[in-house]
Amino acid sequence: DARVTQTPRHKVTEMGQEVTMRCQPILGHNTVFWYRQTMMQGLELLAYFRNRAPLDDSGMPKDRFSAEMPDATLATLKIQPSEPRDSAVYFCASGLSEKLFFGSGTQLSVL
Amino acid sequence: AQSVTQPDIHITVSEGASLELRCNYSYGATPYLFWYVQSPGQGLQLLLKYFSGDTLVQGIKGFEAEFKRSQSSFNLRKPSVHWSDAAEYFCAVGAGSNFGNEKLTFGTGTRLTIIP
Repeated sequence: DARVTQTPRHKVTEMGQEVTMRCQPILGHNTVFWYRQTMMQGLELLAYFRNRAPLDDSGMPKDRFSAEMPDATLATLKIQPSEPRDSAVYFCASGLSEKLFFGSGTQLSVL
Repeated sequence: AQSVTQPDIHITVSEGASLELRCNYSYGATPYLFWYVQSPGQGLQLLLKYFSGDTLVQGIKGFEAEFKRSQSSFNLRKPSVHWSDAAEYFCAVGAGSNFGNEKLTFGTGTRLTIIP
């Protein structure tokens, strides 16, 4: 079965360190989304791409977060520097037309 | 702006009993509506969706949902729950391109517990 692959599954880091999360979308999908899930805020859209072009990153703190798609098989979400309030589960999803599939997420803990 | 309300944070149901999870939405036009399920440590999986047409939609795992425009609701139902249905359920409303996927707003979720 085709699936969205996210790495790492878990990440523990110290405040101030750089964190990079990776996502391999399903082959042929033209949209990629980054969501963040916390107990307090629920699921929030951080950014998304269509055909590798960034379309909306209004949900992302611009000073420390960045999202890129260097090629069609890889999307990255980077936090630099990380802060304890960034602790959350970060989900990548890829889609084509009405189809949308989520990865299993990266659980990030910033100490 | 679109919004979704799931009034029940946690629901407990006996195995074999029927289930209804509530969802109310706010959106100016005809919405795209979705129900997703999330098992612990997993991503979200689509249960069913409503775009247009028949207001009663069937999904995977025996779930169905009914779109009621007059009540701005899209409640999820299952006639007989199984222990494996224990999970978190999210209602979502979408807008924009790709059948609403490019502007999804999720509810806060309803945690379903199944007791023997």
